Amino acid sequence: AQKVTQAQTEISVVEKEDVTLDCVYETRDTTYYLFWYKQPPSGELVFLIRRNSFDEQNEISGRYSWNFQKSTSSFNFTITASQVVDSAVYFCALSEAKRGANNLFFGTGTRLTVIP
Amino acid sequence: DADVTQTPRNRITKTGKRIMLECSQTKGHDRMYWYRQDPGLGLRLIYYSFDVKDINKGEISDGYSVSRQAQAKFSLSLESAIPNQTALYFCATSDQGTSEGDTQYFGPGTRLTVL
Repeated sequence: AQKVTQAQTEISVVEKEDVTLDCVYETRDTTYYLFWYKQPPSGELVFLIRRNSFDEQNEISGRYSWNFQKSTSSFNFTITASQVVDSAVYFCALSEAKRGANNLFFGTGTRLTVIP
Repeated sequence: DADVTQTPRNRITKTGKRIMLECSQTKGHDRMYWYRQDPGLGLRLIYYSFDVKDINKGEISDGYSVSRQAQAKFSLSLESAIPNQTALYFCATSDQGTSEGDTQYFGPGTRLTVL
């Protein structure tokens, strides 16, 4: 069965600190996709990144970086030099290729608070 | 202008009332989805549609119905609202015809309160 676990319910950091949000997934498929979404206090869901199961290269986008490790079924998200605008709920999600985009399974989210 | 819009953004209604939430998109995507978000539970899929003639139930479809009036429009109805349908509802779209076809893009959400 598919499952996404975000064990950290809430994290607080002081501005400029680095923070890592953990995501562990379960799937029996060999082809799947992993995602991160951001939900700021205004409520919308913002797509951040998509990764397929064949690409384990880490990705960096500005202050954001993602570490994908199939050996530990993890897809962790690091924010470097955090800012107050990073305060949001972050969701990790999984979809399995053979079942298509209709089966997007979300974790329960991690609420990040960046204290000025 | 936003690519995916939802109306209304906020709605308060009473138990037993019929409610319709609407979603429109200008992204030209073929697939559309409805989710609900409850505190501590993440997002759960209610219904999804691959095209105008294709409607499928998601994880939690009981108490809901949908209509895909056009490729760009997908509405969610609560025939007789009940308090445990109080939640944040999201519409999403994806384009199966591209290499990024598994990526879903979300609307701003509709906050529904059933009293």
